[in-house]
Amino acid sequence: DVKVTQSSRYLVKRTGEKVFLECVQDMDHENMFWYRQDPGLGLRLIYFSYDVKMKEKGDIPEGYSVSREKKERFSLILESASTNQTSMYLCATWTGDSNQPQHFGDGTRLSIL
Amino acid sequence: AQKITQTQPGMFVQEKEAVTLDCTYDTSDPSYGLFWYKQPSSGEMIFLIYQGSYDQQNATEGRYSLNFQKARKSANLVISASQLGDSAMYFCARGSTGFQKLVFGTGTRLLVSP
Repeated sequence: DVKVTQSSRYLVKRTGEKVFLECVQDMDHENMFWYRQDPGLGLRLIYFSYDVKMKEKGDIPEGYSVSREKKERFSLILESASTNQTSMYLCATWTGDSNQPQHFGDGTRLSIL
Repeated sequence: AQKITQTQPGMFVQEKEAVTLDCTYDTSDPSYGLFWYKQPSSGEMIFLIYQGSYDQQNATEGRYSLNFQKARKSANLVISASQLGDSAMYFCARGSTGFQKLVFGTGTRLLVSP
């Protein structure tokens, strides 16, 4: 089974702080993704990575950056957290096979005070 | 933007009955995939079922089946014999060109009552 681990289930930070959300996968998947989920909006793609050190912007990249120094780890960075970044953040991985789904971590509920 | 539309914000069903969750999509891609995920209150996203746009038959996985009508661009999820544990949010998603990017609908909350 694919295992996608997000470092925290719940996180509370203050406005202006630099925030790191970590995601680690154990299945050697090339592709990794960060989404945020808000009520009534579904999941929206922030960034994705298709290889080490490679990244592409998703639909809502503003205010975020990412890092992929190793294949198994994909980090989402909030450079200066703001209250409108309070949300549920979900990491996912994918093999690259079009018949296969993306596999998600358990999510991080981030609150910015 | 190419959208996924789930018109039912909430659905109620009694245990052991069948329920259909609606999903329609926009796409100009000749090849695409459709996915359904379940999200319980605990938050994890659980993959349920996949349908490829060129698949001739509707996908089935246990109690889940996908009613795929390509010309109408709909991919409704049918859950047979509902169980209390089926209470959750359900998301429809479409894979875009290359399937790397999934576009999600806004979800349907299903409540199963005894």
